[in-house]
Amino acid sequence: KQEVTQIPAALSVPEGENLVLNCSFTDSAIYNLQWFRQDPGKGLTSLLLIQSSQREQTSGRLNASLDKSSGRSTLYIAASQPGDSATYLCAATAIQGAQKLVFGQGTRLTINP
Amino acid sequence: DAGVIQSPRHEVTEMGQEVTLRCKPISGHDYLFWYRQTMMRGLELLIYFNNNVPIDDSGMPEDRFSAKMPNASFSTLKIQPSEPRDSAVYFCASSSQVIRGYTFGSGTRLTVV
Repeated sequence: KQEVTQIPAALSVPEGENLVLNCSFTDSAIYNLQWFRQDPGKGLTSLLLIQSSQREQTSGRLNASLDKSSGRSTLYIAASQPGDSATYLCAATAIQGAQKLVFGQGTRLTINP
Repeated sequence: DAGVIQSPRHEVTEMGQEVTLRCKPISGHDYLFWYRQTMMRGLELLIYFNNNVPIDDSGMPEDRFSAKMPNASFSTLKIQPSEPRDSAVYFCASSSQVIRGYTFGSGTRLTVV
């Protein structure tokens, strides 16, 4: 059974810093790994999708990496801004799990002006 | 594309009443998923459909919960009778192929009093 863990549960940093959010998964046989952003009281917005054959994906100030062998993914945010404050969720789709997207508990990020 | 559309956005109901949540997936997507989000348990998959057929309902908590997908453009999640512990945010998501990732709706916030 696929399990996804995110550490830390919460992170607070000053504006302008570069930061890394961590995600680990127990079953390395995955189709893909997806990072989402969730603002308070809102839905999930997809940020980046990394296929199992890829090592990383980039979008603007965001870069996500994937290391299947170690069961880890990281989300790198460059030059953080207060608008980046949100909860970040990673989710993996295991091949043996019939298309189910399994979520971590999320990292609540606060960027202080 | 309007994205995944859920209704209602908010629902407040009394314990024992029937509740019906609705979802319209993105046109052309043949996978549809229902998730529930709570503070304690995070995001949990309740059920998912492929080509309108329920594939895995192992996450449905009790017989009080039922889901249908009568056609490719509409799905419902029904709770009857509702209980206070059903209070949560219910998300619908759709996908064209698992490898392409998922798109989530804005969610329905359900409060059972």
